[in-house]
Amino acid sequence: RKEVEQDPGPFNVPEGATVAFNCTYSNSASQSFFWYRQDCRKEPKLLMSVYSSGNEDGRFTAQLNRASQYISLLIRDSKLSDSATYLCAVNIGSSASKIIFGSGTRLSIRP
Amino acid sequence: GAGVSQSPRYKVAKRGQDVALRCDPISGHVSLFWYQQALGQGPEFLTYFQNEAQLDKSGLPSDRFFAERPEGSVSTLKIQRTQQEDSAVYLCASSLVLLGDEQYFGPGTRLTVT
Repeated sequence: RKEVEQDPGPFNVPEGATVAFNCTYSNSASQSFFWYRQDCRKEPKLLMSVYSSGNEDGRFTAQLNRASQYISLLIRDSKLSDSATYLCAVNIGSSASKIIFGSGTRLSIRP
Repeated sequence: GAGVSQSPRYKVAKRGQDVALRCDPISGHVSLFWYQQALGQGPEFLTYFQNEAQLDKSGLPSDRFFAERPEGSVSTLKIQRTQQEDSAVYLCASSLVLLGDEQYFGPGTRLTVT
């Protein structure tokens, strides 16, 4: 089993729709979780960190489920500009700084 | 302020050549990371530094790969005797401290080995 797994998609949804991605991780000692956005031929950019209590930033909501070892990203009222690949990232182990990325979920928003 | 910068942005090497990729992290960032990203995949961890100390190099694919950060700032990733399978984008990232901190990525170096 991969350490961090994501549904590769692609997700193709109409503008204004709500879309959600999950990301599962295998190491129960992981403490830090992130969502990154990567546009085609660009570097990943941090979208948001994921906190235990869940967090929201505008149209984006991230949640952590430690019992089932997954994190989720919800995008409401999707915009054309949300089209990108979304990468989840998880640190491995309680003291390690090694961050493992998922393979990414491709999202395409259509007009 | 200035972000993470990498050079060169593109590199074409003939099989068997040595290459050196440079990363300038954000000023004051303690941690520096190297990743390899193949097309359609997420970044794969190669190695990381805390200041000048290389604390984890478990992701380096072979002994042809070598990374250094001698003064705790600029880092160089060197690949000796390049092979076609080394073709990828090499991303550098830095973070302010160590555990749990967000990483900021440079634009990457796209390496093509012919």
